[in-house]
Amino acid sequence: QSALTQPRSVSGSPGQSVTISCTGSSSDVGGYTFVSWYQQHPGKAPKLIIYDVSKRPSGVPDRFSGSKSGNTASLTISGLQAEDEADYYCCSFAGSYTYVFGTETKVTVL
Amino acid sequence: EVQLVQSGAEVKKPGESLKISCKGSGYTFTNYWVAWVRQMPAKGLEWMGIIYPSDSDTRYSPSFQGQVIISADKSITTAYLQWSGLEASDTAMYYCARFGTAGGRFADYWGQGTPVTVSS
Repeated sequence: QSALTQPRSVSGSPGQSVTISCTGSSSDVGGYTFVSWYQQHPGKAPKLIIYDVSKRPSGVPDRFSGSKSGNTASLTISGLQAEDEADYYCCSFAGSYTYVFGTETKVTVL
Repeated sequence: EVQLVQSGAEVKKPGESLKISCKGSGYTFTNYWVAWVRQMPAKGLEWMGIIYPSDSDTRYSPSFQGQVIISADKSITTAYLQWSGLEASDTAMYYCARFGTAGGRFADYWGQGTPVTVSS
């Protein structure tokens, strides 16, 4: 059960769009529609921003969107804002009520 | 209001044992799974394992199997993470998180984290 692969960092100017990829295998990302994304600001607990690949919890801005193709899921932040600067993690169900997180992606707003 | 409240910071010596807790409130504790997540200093999130308090069904990541024990006491709506012989490499922030069942395979609520420091 290896960690899902995410880019180490992505950056963009305010108003631009950035996309974070999350690559796994047919045993996790590719095998289920249970990919979730979490935002973590320094010193804070993670916060759910996307679940079931593309659904947004109440209160999460619609500039956050998710998708999946094969073994790779993606998180897109459209209209980047200063408060979006944070660490982001994907997470996938991996069968038998086990889960696996992705490696950290640091989003920088230039 | 759903809350997961974790026990406080711990400072331990190598070889010592430790049990940290996560108390759930504001929801039916036995209807959701509770997971433990490790975050080592300046590192990413690692899924350690999960328990279903209703029947104590427990699953572990292969990386943590045999290294820790996850348990729960549904009578006091509390989940636990314990070590029998801490190592310096166990120094980390530990989060508990609520995961749903068939219709909710994501962590919608998180505890505030318990920092654990292991040092001689």
